[in-house]
Amino acid sequence: AQRVTQPEKLLSVFKGAPVELKCNYSYSGSPELFWYVQYSRQRLQLLLRHISRESIKGFTADLNKGETSFHLKKPFAQEEDSAMYYCALSSGNTPLVFGKGTRLSVIA
Amino acid sequence: NAGVTQTPKFRILKIGQSMTLQCTQDMNHNYMYWYRQDPGMGLKLIYYSVGAGITDKGEVPNGYNVSRSTTEDFPLRLELAAPSQTSVYFCASRKDRGHNSPLHFGNGTRLTVT
Repeated sequence: AQRVTQPEKLLSVFKGAPVELKCNYSYSGSPELFWYVQYSRQRLQLLLRHISRESIKGFTADLNKGETSFHLKKPFAQEEDSAMYYCALSSGNTPLVFGKGTRLSVIA
Repeated sequence: NAGVTQTPKFRILKIGQSMTLQCTQDMNHNYMYWYRQDPGMGLKLIYYSVGAGITDKGEVPNGYNVSRSTTEDFPLRLELAAPSQTSVYFCASRKDRGHNSPLHFGNGTRLTVT
């Protein structure tokens, strides 16, 4: 069965500090992995996807198949990064499976 | 495009009442989904549809029903509301499977059952 684990419910960092939001997954095939973000009073939206190898709003995420991880990183946190972050996995015919989410709080 | 539109935004139900959460999208997406979001529990899939006339159960379908008579609309029905159905409900859609087809979410419906 597919599973996405985000071990931290809440992560608090100071402005300017590095951020790493952890995501581990279990799936035997080739996964498609995504990070979605939900800012206060806004709808969930796609932040980035592993296939694109892109940097969005300073965030990057690298798929590590050996460690089955897809951690989200940013070198210098900003206050506007405070939000709820969800890691999600998709494979073949199945709908996206989401982790429980991590609330990032950036302290000024 | 309006994207994914959900109505109502808020609703309070008494136990045993019924209601329909509406979801419509104007992007001609084939795939549509209903999730519920509970604090500390993330998003759980209730039902989904891969096209008009086709629906499938997700992880937590009990107490809900859906229909997909058109590509645009995917209403979620609660027949006998229970306190356990207090949650925020999100509808989402995507064109098809794969990396180049991300989920588009609605703004959510906050439902309270008392």
